[in-house]
Amino acid sequence: NAGVTQTPKFRVLKTGQSMTLLCAQDMNHEYMYWYRQDPGMGLRLIHYSVGEGTTAKGEVPDGYNVSRLKKQNFLLGLESAAPSQTSVYFCATQVGDPNEQFFGPGTRLTVL
Amino acid sequence: GQNIDQPTEMTATEGAIVQINCTYQTSGFNGLFWYQQHAGEAPTFLSYNVLDGLEEKGRFSSFLSRSKGYSYLLLKELQMKDSASYLCAVSDSNYQLIWGAGTKLIIKP
Repeated sequence: NAGVTQTPKFRVLKTGQSMTLLCAQDMNHEYMYWYRQDPGMGLRLIHYSVGEGTTAKGEVPDGYNVSRLKKQNFLLGLESAAPSQTSVYFCATQVGDPNEQFFGPGTRLTVL
Repeated sequence: GQNIDQPTEMTATEGAIVQINCTYQTSGFNGLFWYQQHAGEAPTFLSYNVLDGLEEKGRFSSFLSRSKGYSYLLLKELQMKDSASYLCAVSDSNYQLIWGAGTKLIIKP
């Protein structure tokens, strides 16, 4: 039972490159979230999904896209990376509302 | 706008008690969460309050006053492993979590 996993753990990109972050869960939770965490700021919601095949925008969606083709996976894409996207990205899952969220270990992304 | 305020940093002594405050202004309220986050790690759930009053869970307790938009997390018998950031988050009218910036707690021997 792995819980919530994220791939990769670390990545360095050059400005303009693209990449996809993968979040996978084995808890059968309906809700999945992508956050970014920056120093001195709270977690900020990028996009979220309330079920397979659904996605919605959060607080800071610009420059990111997501897909939830399978219930257990939630992908976050950066179309053209910018230095402002340097951050730690966390995926989280939730069984329903309101309820605790379970977080993956995070992806540290640096954009040069 | 929506806002969660908590102190940036606090220092306490091993074995002592510390109270971390959180005040909030949100559009709607569906509960308040406290999470613990060790440096370089993911947040982990500590407590949830939706009604006024105190919830106790071992060495940790969390209090909520909805009328005052106020909560605190109380940590007793502090241990060195309690050195971490403590995040306050409120579930708003859309059940979205609004997060505070976190309080970094430093424990000294």
